[in-house]
Amino acid sequence: NAGVTQTPKFQVLKTGQSMTLQCAQDMNHEYMSWYRQDPGMGLRLIHYSVGAGITDQGEVPNGYNVSRSTTEDFPLRLLSAAPSQTSVYFCASSYSHCSSGANVLTFGAGSRLTVL
Amino acid sequence: GQNIDQPTEMTATEGAIVQINCTYQTSGFNGLFWYQQHAGEAPTFLSYNVLDGLEEKGRFSSFLSRSKGYSYLLLKELQMKDSASYLCVPMDSNYQLIWGAGTKLIIKP
Repeated sequence: NAGVTQTPKFQVLKTGQSMTLQCAQDMNHEYMSWYRQDPGMGLRLIHYSVGAGITDQGEVPNGYNVSRSTTEDFPLRLLSAAPSQTSVYFCASSYSHCSSGANVLTFGAGSRLTVL
Repeated sequence: GQNIDQPTEMTATEGAIVQINCTYQTSGFNGLFWYQQHAGEAPTFLSYNVLDGLEEKGRFSSFLSRSKGYSYLLLKELQMKDSASYLCVPMDSNYQLIWGAGTKLIIKP
């Protein structure tokens, strides 16, 4: 049981380049989400999905796109990278979003992105 | 607005007990989580409280008082591996998780 798998673990981009962070879970979780974590700050929600075919914006969605074509996969696309997007990105999933006890998040190992 | 207040950093001694306090303000309430995050790693789930009172899980216990907007995490028999950040994460009426910067706990021998 792999849990939540994120790739790549590290990436360096130049300003203006695009890339996709991959996230896959094998737990049949309905809810998937992307967070970014910056030094001294709490996790900030970028985008989330409550099921296949459904996505919604979080707190800081600008500059990022997502899609959820399958239950398992939830890729995050950076359209035109900017230095402000230098951060650690976490993908997380849970069985449900709207059932308190089932909201325990399982996180991927994280992707450290640097934009020059 | 919604906010969380936790100490930025705490220091404790190996083998001792430490209590990490958290006060929160949210728009409605659907429970509160505690997560542990080691440096350079992802957060991992520790506990969940939705009703008032104490939940015990091995060396870790978590307490909730909804009327006071207050929770604490109690860590007993501290070990060096407990050095980490501890995140108090309440959930609002829309089931949105409210994340703060957490408390960095340093364990000294």
